[in-house]
Amino acid sequence: DAKTTQPNSMESNEEEPVHLPCNHSTISGTDYIHWYRQLPSQGPEYVIHGLTSNVNNRMASLAIAEDRKSSTLILHRATLRDAAVYYCILRAYNFNKFYFGSGTKLNVKP
Amino acid sequence: AAGVIQSPRHLIKEKRETATLKCYPIPRHDTVYWYQQGPGQDPQFLISFYEKMQSDKGSIPDRFSAQQFSDYHSELNMSSLELGDSALYFCASSLDRQGPTEAFFGQGTRLTVV
Repeated sequence: DAKTTQPNSMESNEEEPVHLPCNHSTISGTDYIHWYRQLPSQGPEYVIHGLTSNVNNRMASLAIAEDRKSSTLILHRATLRDAAVYYCILRAYNFNKFYFGSGTKLNVKP
Repeated sequence: AAGVIQSPRHLIKEKRETATLKCYPIPRHDTVYWYQQGPGQDPQFLISFYEKMQSDKGSIPDRFSAQQFSDYHSELNMSSLELGDSALYFCASSLDRQGPTEAFFGQGTRLTVV
């Protein structure tokens, strides 16, 4: 399974944008890039996913590099409720499994 | 909207006992996943089912087994429990018929083995 690399932790100020990077240099052509987050004592929560093009939804934006070897999750205005561990995950097209790496722990300061 | 339901939410068992965790996926979802999350650790993939058939296996111990029933609910059976099995167990479901879509996770079952 292709591996992802994320910074262990990041810090942001409330109401400022946050850019969470992820490297996935061994990504294959059929791997989708998914992002999940996990708040303390809760189940992981889906954030966004994409294949090749940048994606936007109500929670965040996903910017995918042209060579697909890296991506960035963008939270446009961080709130205190966005403090969580963010996981970048590669999901293969024809496999019903996905692995969580170490993730990035995001701390949001008021 | 309906979410993934897991029961029980909390479970305390003694060593060498058995435990059964239940998961009720979102209606019409075709894929169910089970994950184990130890204290301070990231979720570890255990096993998945697609259309009630076992699909992929991860780091699931031989003492554990799982199945998905005709009504699509799934059960994770754990025997000869060990202290190290104490963890949060998450179930997730998704509709993956046309590619890996968003997976919805339940609130988890916290298993404590004493």
